[in-house]
Amino acid sequence: SQELEQSPQSLIVQEGKNLTINCTSSKTLYGLYWYKQKYGEGLIFLMMLQKGGEEKSHEKITAKLDEKKQQSSLHITASQPSHAGIYLCGADMKSNFGNEKLTFGTGTRLTIIP
Amino acid sequence: DTEVTQTPKHLVMGMTNKKSLKCEQHMGHRAMYWYKQKAKKPPELMFVYSYEKLSINESVPSRFSPECPNSSLLNLHLHALQPEDSALYLCASSLYSKQGATEAFFGQGTRLTVV
Repeated sequence: SQELEQSPQSLIVQEGKNLTINCTSSKTLYGLYWYKQKYGEGLIFLMMLQKGGEEKSHEKITAKLDEKKQQSSLHITASQPSHAGIYLCGADMKSNFGNEKLTFGTGTRLTIIP
Repeated sequence: DTEVTQTPKHLVMGMTNKKSLKCEQHMGHRAMYWYKQKAKKPPELMFVYSYEKLSINESVPSRFSPECPNSSLLNLHLHALQPEDSALYLCASSLYSKQGATEAFFGQGTRLTVV
Protein backbone atom coordinates (compact mmCIF):
# COMPACT_ATOMS: atom_id res chain seq x y z
CA SER A 1 0.00 0.00 0.00
CA GLN A 2 1.05 3.57 -0.61
CA GLU A 3 2.50 5.49 2.34
CA LEU A 4 1.18 8.75 0.94
CA GLU A 5 -2.31 8.86 -0.53
CA GLN A 6 -3.57 11.79 -2.56
CA SER A 7 -7.14 12.68 -3.37
CA PRO A 8 -8.68 13.13 -5.77
CA GLN A 9 -6.73 11.16 -8.38
CA SER A 10 -7.90 13.55 -11.06
CA LEU A 11 -9.71 16.82 -11.08
CA ILE A 12 -11.37 18.79 -13.87
CA VAL A 13 -12.09 22.38 -12.93
CA GLN A 14 -13.49 25.31 -14.84
CA GLU A 15 -11.10 28.23 -15.18
CA GLY A 16 -11.56 30.72 -12.37
CA LYS A 17 -12.81 28.18 -9.85
CA ASN A 18 -11.08 27.20 -6.61
CA LEU A 19 -9.89 23.68 -5.87
CA THR A 20 -8.26 21.61 -3.13
CA ILE A 21 -5.98 18.58 -3.30
CA ASN A 22 -5.29 16.45 -0.23
CA CYS A 23 -2.33 14.34 0.83
CA THR A 24 -2.63 11.88 3.73
CA SER A 25 0.08 9.90 5.47
CA SER A 26 -0.20 7.00 7.89
CA LYS A 27 2.90 8.30 9.70
CA THR A 28 3.99 11.62 11.18
CA LEU A 29 5.52 13.82 8.52
CA TYR A 30 8.81 15.58 9.20
CA GLY A 31 8.89 17.43 5.93
CA LEU A 32 6.05 17.66 3.43
CA TYR A 33 6.72 18.90 -0.08
CA TRP A 34 4.46 19.85 -2.93
CA TYR A 35 5.63 19.52 -6.50
CA LYS A 36 4.04 20.11 -9.89
CA GLN A 37 4.87 18.11 -13.00
CA LYS A 38 3.97 18.71 -16.61
CA TYR A 39 3.61 15.49 -18.62
CA GLY A 40 6.97 13.91 -19.37
CA GLU A 41 8.93 16.68 -17.67
CA GLY A 42 10.75 17.19 -14.41
CA LEU A 43 9.19 18.18 -11.11
CA ILE A 44 8.89 21.82 -10.12
CA PHE A 45 9.17 22.51 -6.40
CA LEU A 46 6.21 24.50 -5.04
CA MET A 47 6.40 24.53 -1.26
CA MET A 48 7.82 22.82 1.79
CA LEU A 49 6.02 22.51 5.14
CA GLN A 50 7.65 21.34 8.34
CA LYS A 51 5.73 22.49 11.37
CA GLY A 52 2.28 21.37 12.45
CA GLY A 53 -0.25 24.04 11.56
CA GLU A 54 2.13 25.68 9.11
CA GLU A 55 0.64 27.40 6.09
CA LYS A 56 2.47 28.84 3.09
CA SER A 57 1.29 30.72 0.04
CA HIS A 58 2.83 31.50 -3.29
CA GLU A 59 0.82 33.49 -5.82
CA LYS A 60 -2.57 31.73 -5.89
CA ILE A 61 -1.44 28.48 -4.28
CA THR A 62 -1.71 27.84 -0.53
CA ALA A 63 -0.53 24.73 1.27
CA LYS A 64 -1.21 23.69 4.85
CA LEU A 65 0.11 20.98 7.14
CA ASP A 66 -2.32 19.91 9.83
CA GLU A 67 -1.48 20.04 13.53
CA LYS A 68 -0.88 16.31 13.80
CA LYS A 69 1.43 16.50 10.77
CA GLN A 70 -0.23 13.62 8.97
CA GLN A 71 -2.21 15.48 6.34
CA SER A 72 -1.61 18.35 3.98
CA SER A 73 -3.84 20.24 1.59
CA LEU A 74 -3.02 22.32 -1.47
CA HIS A 75 -5.53 24.99 -2.40
CA ILE A 76 -5.59 26.91 -5.66
CA THR A 77 -7.65 30.07 -5.88
CA ALA A 78 -9.11 31.34 -9.15
CA SER A 79 -7.53 28.56 -11.23
CA GLN A 80 -5.86 29.35 -14.56
CA PRO A 81 -4.80 27.16 -17.49
CA SER A 82 -1.20 27.46 -16.29
CA HIS A 83 -2.16 25.52 -13.15
CA ALA A 84 -2.88 22.39 -15.18
CA GLY A 85 -0.55 19.47 -14.54
CA ILE A 86 0.14 16.70 -12.07
CA TYR A 87 0.49 17.66 -8.43
CA LEU A 88 2.59 15.44 -6.24
CA CYS A 89 3.07 15.56 -2.51
CA GLY A 90 6.31 14.17 -1.20
CA ALA A 91 7.63 13.34 2.24
CA ASP A 92 10.75 11.99 3.86
CA MET A 93 10.12 8.39 4.82
CA LYS A 94 12.40 5.88 6.47
CA SER A 95 14.06 3.56 3.97
CA ASN A 96 14.93 -0.08 4.56
CA PHE A 97 18.42 1.18 5.39
CA GLY A 98 17.12 3.30 8.27
CA ASN A 99 17.86 6.60 6.60
CA GLU A 100 15.48 8.91 4.83
CA LYS A 101 14.17 8.87 1.31
CA LEU A 102 11.88 11.29 -0.48
CA THR A 103 8.72 9.34 -1.29
CA PHE A 104 5.90 10.63 -3.44
CA GLY A 105 2.17 10.43 -3.18
CA THR A 106 -0.05 8.89 -5.81
CA GLY A 107 -0.47 12.19 -7.67
CA THR A 108 -3.43 14.34 -8.72
CA ARG A 109 -3.95 15.18 -12.37
CA LEU A 110 -5.48 18.64 -12.71
CA THR A 111 -7.21 19.77 -15.90
CA ILE A 112 -8.47 23.33 -16.29
CA ILE A 113 -11.22 23.89 -18.83
CA PRO A 114 -12.00 27.33 -20.26
CA ASP B 1 21.91 28.74 -10.46
CA THR B 2 19.09 26.48 -9.25
CA GLU B 3 19.25 24.01 -12.09
CA VAL B 4 19.75 20.31 -12.30
CA THR B 5 20.81 19.43 -15.82
CA GLN B 6 20.23 15.99 -17.30
CA THR B 7 21.56 14.63 -20.56
CA PRO B 8 20.44 13.29 -22.91
CA LYS B 9 16.79 14.33 -22.96
CA HIS B 10 15.82 11.30 -25.03
CA LEU B 11 17.57 7.97 -25.46
CA VAL B 12 16.67 4.92 -27.50
CA MET B 13 18.83 1.87 -26.88
CA GLY B 14 18.87 -1.78 -27.77
CA MET B 15 18.90 -4.51 -25.15
CA THR B 16 22.58 -5.26 -25.79
CA ASN B 17 23.74 -1.65 -25.68
CA LYS B 18 25.66 0.14 -22.94
CA LYS B 19 24.75 3.76 -22.33
CA SER B 20 24.98 6.33 -19.56
CA LEU B 21 22.68 9.01 -18.24
CA LYS B 22 24.29 12.14 -16.82
CA CYS B 23 23.19 14.63 -14.20
CA GLU B 24 24.90 17.82 -13.07
CA GLN B 25 24.21 20.47 -10.43
CA HIS B 26 26.23 23.43 -9.21
CA MET B 27 24.22 24.40 -6.15
CA GLY B 28 26.63 22.85 -3.66
CA HIS B 29 24.11 20.12 -2.86
CA ARG B 30 25.58 17.06 -1.18
CA ALA B 31 22.69 14.64 -1.78
CA MET B 32 21.82 13.42 -5.28
CA TYR B 33 19.11 11.03 -6.37
CA TRP B 34 17.97 8.88 -9.26
CA TYR B 35 14.26 8.25 -9.71
CA LYS B 36 12.40 6.14 -12.25
CA GLN B 37 8.93 7.18 -13.37
CA LYS B 38 6.58 5.05 -15.43
CA ALA B 39 3.60 6.57 -17.21
CA LYS B 40 0.85 7.83 -14.89
CA LYS B 41 2.80 6.78 -11.79
CA PRO B 42 4.71 8.85 -9.23
CA PRO B 43 8.52 8.82 -9.33
CA GLU B 44 10.09 5.86 -7.53
CA LEU B 45 13.43 6.22 -5.81
CA MET B 46 16.30 4.13 -7.18
CA PHE B 47 19.49 5.45 -5.56
CA VAL B 48 20.63 8.12 -3.13
CA TYR B 49 24.15 9.47 -2.89
CA SER B 50 25.05 11.44 0.21
CA TYR B 51 28.45 13.17 0.26
CA GLU B 52 29.40 11.13 -2.83
CA LYS B 53 28.73 7.84 -1.09
CA LEU B 54 25.88 5.51 -2.03
CA SER B 55 23.51 5.63 0.93
CA ILE B 56 20.39 4.04 -0.51
CA ASN B 57 19.92 1.39 -3.19
CA GLU B 58 16.25 0.51 -3.44
CA SER B 59 16.84 -3.07 -4.61
CA VAL B 60 17.53 -1.93 -8.15
CA PRO B 61 18.69 -4.61 -10.64
CA SER B 62 22.43 -4.65 -11.32
CA ARG B 63 21.87 -3.66 -14.96
CA PHE B 64 21.57 -0.14 -13.49
CA SER B 65 24.86 1.05 -12.04
CA PRO B 66 25.11 4.49 -10.42
CA GLU B 67 28.28 6.50 -10.08
CA CYS B 68 29.04 9.78 -8.33
CA PRO B 69 32.46 10.99 -9.59
CA ASN B 70 32.29 14.23 -7.59
CA SER B 71 29.84 16.36 -5.66
CA SER B 72 28.40 17.95 -8.81
CA LEU B 73 27.99 14.93 -11.04
CA LEU B 74 25.85 11.83 -10.97
CA ASN B 75 25.81 9.13 -13.63
CA LEU B 76 23.60 6.15 -14.24
CA HIS B 77 25.23 3.43 -16.33
CA LEU B 78 22.87 1.17 -18.24
CA HIS B 79 23.65 -2.28 -19.58
CA ALA B 80 21.53 -5.14 -20.92
CA LEU B 81 18.26 -3.36 -20.20
CA GLN B 82 14.83 -4.82 -20.82
CA PRO B 83 11.90 -3.16 -22.63
CA GLU B 84 10.12 -2.79 -19.26
CA ASP B 85 12.94 -0.47 -18.17
CA SER B 86 11.60 2.14 -20.58
CA ALA B 87 10.61 5.13 -18.46
CA LEU B 88 11.41 8.72 -17.55
CA TYR B 89 14.56 8.82 -15.42
CA LEU B 90 14.76 11.80 -13.12
CA CYS B 91 17.76 13.14 -11.29
CA ALA B 92 17.40 15.34 -8.22
CA SER B 93 19.61 17.03 -5.68
CA SER B 94 19.16 18.55 -2.24
CA LEU B 95 21.40 20.30 0.22
CA TYR B 96 21.65 17.10 2.20
CA SER B 97 19.46 14.09 2.81
CA LYS B 98 18.50 14.58 6.46
CA GLN B 99 14.84 14.01 7.19
CA GLY B 100 12.65 17.03 6.65
CA ALA B 101 15.61 19.24 6.01
CA THR B 102 15.45 20.70 2.55
CA GLU B 103 13.65 20.49 -0.72
CA ALA B 104 14.94 18.54 -3.69
CA PHE B 105 15.42 20.12 -7.11
CA PHE B 106 14.70 17.97 -10.12
CA GLY B 107 16.11 17.83 -13.62
CA GLN B 108 13.91 17.63 -16.71
CA GLY B 109 14.48 13.92 -17.01
CA THR B 110 15.74 11.52 -19.66
CA ARG B 111 13.05 9.69 -21.61
CA LEU B 112 14.51 6.20 -22.13
CA THR B 113 13.13 3.71 -24.62
CA VAL B 114 14.55 0.19 -24.73
CA VAL B 115 13.94 -1.66 -27.98
